[in-house]
Amino acid sequence: KAGVTQTPRYLIKTRGQQVTLSCSPISGHRSVSWYQQTPGQGLQFLFEYFSETQRNKGNFPGRFSGRQFSNSRSEMNVSTLELGDSALYLCASSFSEETQYFGPGTRLLVL
Amino acid sequence: AQSVTQPDIHITVSEGASLELRCNYSYGATPYLFWYVQSPGQGLQLLLKYFSGDTLVQGIKGFEAEFKRSQSSFNLRKPSVHWSDAAEYFCAVGAINFGNEKLTFGTGTRLTIIP
Repeated sequence: KAGVTQTPRYLIKTRGQQVTLSCSPISGHRSVSWYQQTPGQGLQFLFEYFSETQRNKGNFPGRFSGRQFSNSRSEMNVSTLELGDSALYLCASSFSEETQYFGPGTRLLVL
Repeated sequence: AQSVTQPDIHITVSEGASLELRCNYSYGATPYLFWYVQSPGQGLQLLLKYFSGDTLVQGIKGFEAEFKRSQSSFNLRKPSVHWSDAAEYFCAVGAINFGNEKLTFGTGTRLTIIP
């Protein structure tokens, strides 16, 4: 099976812009979670989607949003980018409430 | 709320030496426990996991971990490290309630291997 794929792998934006990141889960996986990784805060949970519904949300401002499509692919959007949003954004998928498998991440740089 | 502590930020070991990375967790019930490894600029790769049963779990690349409920620990071990093991290692705890898929990670331990 193909693993979790994320596009794009690298992205450069400027403050105030918005960005959309995409995640394709492992075939058959219906849950998709998003995490932000920064040197200062480490790995932090953003949100989780299952069957197109957001089931769980981390402690991030409303500028961070996401959605999941009927084929389980997921997107996350960050509006009005800030310098502090520069991070590695990781997507993970799982079949059930067990193991999460991670993609390679999208590295976002905000200038 | 669940939490994970990895007390060692950076560990250096010689190639061929044994390794133990420490992980302590806090969780109100029986946790799901994981160890992931991350190479520079890469995503997280699952090394092993503990859900229930045998408290000594085997993973990929020769790693193992032991769940000790009395100590709230889930330490990762390897008898003989290879230069390719140099990476950052993350311990994580997951909730087991349906509808609550969320991993809480420790801050990570960076492993350096010296020849």
